[in-house]
Amino acid sequence: DTGVSQNPRHKITKRGQNVTFRCDPISEHNRLYWYRQTLGQGPEFLTYFQNEAQLEKSRLLSDRFSAERPKGSFSTLEIQRTEQGDSAMYLCASSPPPRYRANYGYTFGSGTRLTVV
Amino acid sequence: AQKITQTQPGMFVQEKEAVTLDCTYDTSDQSYGLFWYKQPSSGEMIFLIYQGSYDEQNATEGRYSLNFQKARKSANLVISASQLGDSAMYFCAMREPYKLSFGAGTTVTVRA
Repeated sequence: DTGVSQNPRHKITKRGQNVTFRCDPISEHNRLYWYRQTLGQGPEFLTYFQNEAQLEKSRLLSDRFSAERPKGSFSTLEIQRTEQGDSAMYLCASSPPPRYRANYGYTFGSGTRLTVV
Repeated sequence: AQKITQTQPGMFVQEKEAVTLDCTYDTSDQSYGLFWYKQPSSGEMIFLIYQGSYDEQNATEGRYSLNFQKARKSANLVISASQLGDSAMYFCAMREPYKLSFGAGTTVTVRA
């Protein structure tokens, strides 16, 4: 169990540029989640994958945001034409099928901190 | 609609004392789960404790215990014997049914 890995840890970009973040979940976890956290607030749900299928997208996920999880392994989150309001910590989490653990086994990565200047 | 409410933005506690962090939730589901996470300044979310809606006993994990009052829809976290390393942001979260919804968090500062 090597944990959930997120890259990069920090990203500074100019407004209008595109950015892509990567999340590598725990290998036996079939569920993957993306959250956004602004300073001083709790994480807000963005989207959820079960294997390679994207099953839910939050209204927070505008048309400039897209997430993929090819082959049900790693996931990418892309933000096009970044805006200053996109500055936040982007957290990835994964969990195994519910029957494996009573507490659902959610494991979070350390996040990618995005700053749009 | 806000589903998880944490009304204490920040709290100070003396080292070795206990502290209670409040959390109330709103759901119409019979089956749900409640979580507490710790987030230090490094940013990682550290799982502390879990309470299932059908669990009859309050959950405990070392110095952490969860005071679950189902009728009041509250799930307060108690940290006993506070340590300087407990200084962090603490989040209450609810599983609904697969994703987690978080409260706004409570910042805890432990004083020596």
